[in-house]
Amino acid sequence: AQTVTQSQPEMSVQEAETVTLSCTYDTSENNYYLFWYKQPPSRQMILVIRQEAYKQQNATENRFSVNFQKAAKSFSLKISDSQLGDTAMYFCASFNTDKLIFGTGTRLQVFP
Amino acid sequence: DAGVIQSPRHEVTEMGQEVTLRCKPISGHDYLFWYRQTMMRGLELLIYFNNNVPIDDSGMPEDRFSAKMPNASFSTLKIQPSEPRDSAVYFCASSLGPLNTEAFFGQGTRLTVV
Repeated sequence: AQTVTQSQPEMSVQEAETVTLSCTYDTSENNYYLFWYKQPPSRQMILVIRQEAYKQQNATENRFSVNFQKAAKSFSLKISDSQLGDTAMYFCASFNTDKLIFGTGTRLQVFP
Repeated sequence: DAGVIQSPRHEVTEMGQEVTLRCKPISGHDYLFWYRQTMMRGLELLIYFNNNVPIDDSGMPEDRFSAKMPNASFSTLKIQPSEPRDSAVYFCASSLGPLNTEAFFGQGTRLTVV
């Protein structure tokens, strides 16, 4: 069965600091994609970053980067220089065998 | 393209009534997903379609839930009869393919069953 686990229900960070959100997943597939989505209070789901499992290099999008450890099935999100607008729910997701499965989310609060 | 469009944005209904949620995916997207989001269970995949055909409905909680996709530009999720525990935000999402692209989400329908 395909599962995604986020063990941190809530996190907080001060503005301009760095924070890392954890995610582990389980899949029997060899080829799959991993995502981090952001859900601000507006409720809209916004893609933050995507990682292809067959790529060794960790994905980076501006202040957002991932630490992808395929053997450990770990996919953490690092947010550098945190901004107040980063306050949101963050969902880790795994896409393989046609299904996009989400973790339970981490609520991130950025304080001034 | 205007993105994935869901209607209504909010729905309040009485227990026992039928509720129909609607979704228009992005044109050209072959995959359509219905999710339910609650505080307790997070985002749950209810059902998804590929080229209008339901592929996996194992996430549909009960027979009271049904989903259809009569054509490539429209899908419905119906709850009949509705119950208070169905109160949640229901999201529709679409994507180009199974692996290589992101899923684009609608803004969701907040359903409240009283």
